[in-house]
This record gives sequence, structure tokens and C-alpha cells, in this order.
Amino acid sequence: GENVEQHPSTLSVQEGDSAVIKCTYSDSASNYFPWYKQELGKRPQLIIDIRSNVGEKKDQRIAVTLNKTAKHFSLHITETQPEDSAVYFCAPRNSNYQLIWGAGTKLIIKP
Amino acid sequence: DTGVSQNPRHKITKRGQNVTFRCDPISEHNRLYWYRQTLGQGPEFLTYFQNEAQLEKSRLLSDRFSAERPKGSFSTLEIQRTEQGDSAMYLCASSLSEADEKLFFGSGTQLSVL
Repeated sequence: GENVEQHPSTLSVQEGDSAVIKCTYSDSASNYFPWYKQELGKRPQLIIDIRSNVGEKKDQRIAVTLNKTAKHFSLHITETQPEDSAVYFCAPRNSNYQLIWGAGTKLIIKP
Repeated sequence: DTGVSQNPRHKITKRGQNVTFRCDPISEHNRLYWYRQTLGQGPEFLTYFQNEAQLEKSRLLSDRFSAERPKGSFSTLEIQRTEQGDSAMYLCASSLSEADEKLFFGSGTQLSVL
């Protein structure tokens, strides 16, 4: 079956520094790669996504990069702020148009 | 219509009882998904609808679980003969269509089975 792994499972960074979370997947037919953010006690929310015909996408402090050959994509957050503290999930879409969710990465921003 | 709405927000029940949850998606969204999430884990897919048709059901879903979307608008998820292992957050999400993969989640229903 499909396998999605996120690394690290927990990431602690100093406020103002950058954070990078990596997601590896196994389905070579995947063509849509989103990242969701879930704050404590709240619903998951889409923060950025990318399609397989694009290598990088940026939205202000957030960017996603895709390496289809290596089957991984990464979330980059620059100039981290306290409100970035949350659990981040990758959820690549498989060939059956289903999102396969990673286990999540807990991001902690230290003041 | 400001988003996906789920009711109730919390449900406490005794083992063996039946429970039903409701989800109202964003009005123009054709696709509706049910997920289950336990603490420290990502959302686990349960089932989804395209309009009123239930197109896929997770193999992990036992026969005690059933979902409906009778008129292609709101959906209900019923769990019969609840077990303690059913305790989780049940999340509903909707998307505009198959071509639009962006999911919008509701706040969820937290189920506790005693």
C-alpha cells in the first residue's frame, strides 16, 4: 500500500529562524502535494499546495518544494513566529485521487 | 454559509449505544469526506461522497459504521454498538469537485465512549 512519512516528528526552532519539514511518499503516480496546518484543538487547514508540473511554490513566508524523482516534498517556513506553532501534515494524493496523510510534525517555536 | 459545520461538537456515550453525527458542507461543494483522528495522529480516511453517491469506503471501517448523504447536501455518520476504541475526533471535510482537491474541514465531533 501507499506509504507517507514525515520527518522530523517534532521540530523546535528559535523564533525568527527557518523550519523545514520533509515528506516522502511511495506512489509514483501522485500528482498533488498539499500541506495542512492544525493548531491545538482546531481543524486542519490547507496552507500551501503544489502540483507535479511545478518544482517550487512560495506564499509569503511559506514555500513548498517538490522532487518527483526522489518522491519527496518539503515545507519551508522562514522567519518563524509564535503563531506558526502547530502540527503540520503532508497529504499527497494517490492515483485513486485520495489524500494519504502523514503522521504529522509538531513544530514548536521558542521565544 | 461560512464553512463546514458539524454537530454535535462533543458526544459522550456508553459502550453499546448508537450515535449519529451530522455534517453540513459548504453549499456548492460536491464532495464530502469523513475522517477519524486520534491524538497525535493524522486524519484517517473513512469514506467519501460525490453528491449523494458514496464512492469509497475504507477497508478499516467495520460494518458498525454507516454514512449517508441522501440529497447530496448534508451527511450523517452513524456508529452502531459503540466500542471504547471508537473514541476519537470525527472530522468532516468538503471540496468543490474532483478537480479541486482543496479540503475544507469542519471543527469535528469529539466522541468519547465510556
